[in-house]
Amino acid sequence: DSGVTQTPKHLITATGQRVTLRCSPRSGDLSVYWYQQSLDQGLQFLIHYYNGEERAKGNILERFSAQQFPDLHSELNLSSLELGDSALYFCASSPHPVPQETQYFGPGTRLLVL
Amino acid sequence: AQSVAQPEDQVNVAEGNPLTVKCTYSVSGNPYLFWYVQYPNRGLQFLLKYITGDNLVKGSYGFEAEFNKSQTSFHLKKPSALVSDSALYFCAVRDEDFNKFYFGSGTKLNVKP
Repeated sequence: DSGVTQTPKHLITATGQRVTLRCSPRSGDLSVYWYQQSLDQGLQFLIHYYNGEERAKGNILERFSAQQFPDLHSELNLSSLELGDSALYFCASSPHPVPQETQYFGPGTRLLVL
Repeated sequence: AQSVAQPEDQVNVAEGNPLTVKCTYSVSGNPYLFWYVQYPNRGLQFLLKYITGDNLVKGSYGFEAEFNKSQTSFHLKKPSALVSDSALYFCAVRDEDFNKFYFGSGTKLNVKP
């Protein structure tokens, strides 16, 4: 158990809908990273927040957004969902502002868009 | 551009034999290299990292990795494979300038009894 929690574990929704994925980092970790893992794209870095501020962006679509709240939990919002958004979404946390140290991954949220 | 390549989608090895999972990288600046393992229906777990120092890095579960700057490689190795090592392995690189992680496409390791 990494100490990172993600909810929900599974999510099934329809195209055009909007969903919110939630991540609670390990106690004391200020950084939260979001990743998308799909069969055709592999594991893709989406976005990184540190202590409430966006630090880096990866291959995140404009339909997707994220934020980190004062209690350090983070939410990833996916809107206007498409079939291709079906994937496993991971968050990871670490104590540092840059990804130099180990990242601790949550169990993931499996999203299925029908 | 920063990138990581894992040239093998799958590696098959018999239990007890040595295993190698290949990774090559391309970054500007000094590379920070990582290996992760993913078991079915689980998140990624950190195995080992290379920041500076010895080119041979020892990590969890008996794994080690060899950093080769001239070949821009960071291959994962284990002297004697176990069936329980069967999983998906990801190489990742963090570029010190751009503050991002780049993952390889993953290599599925199958260890047969």
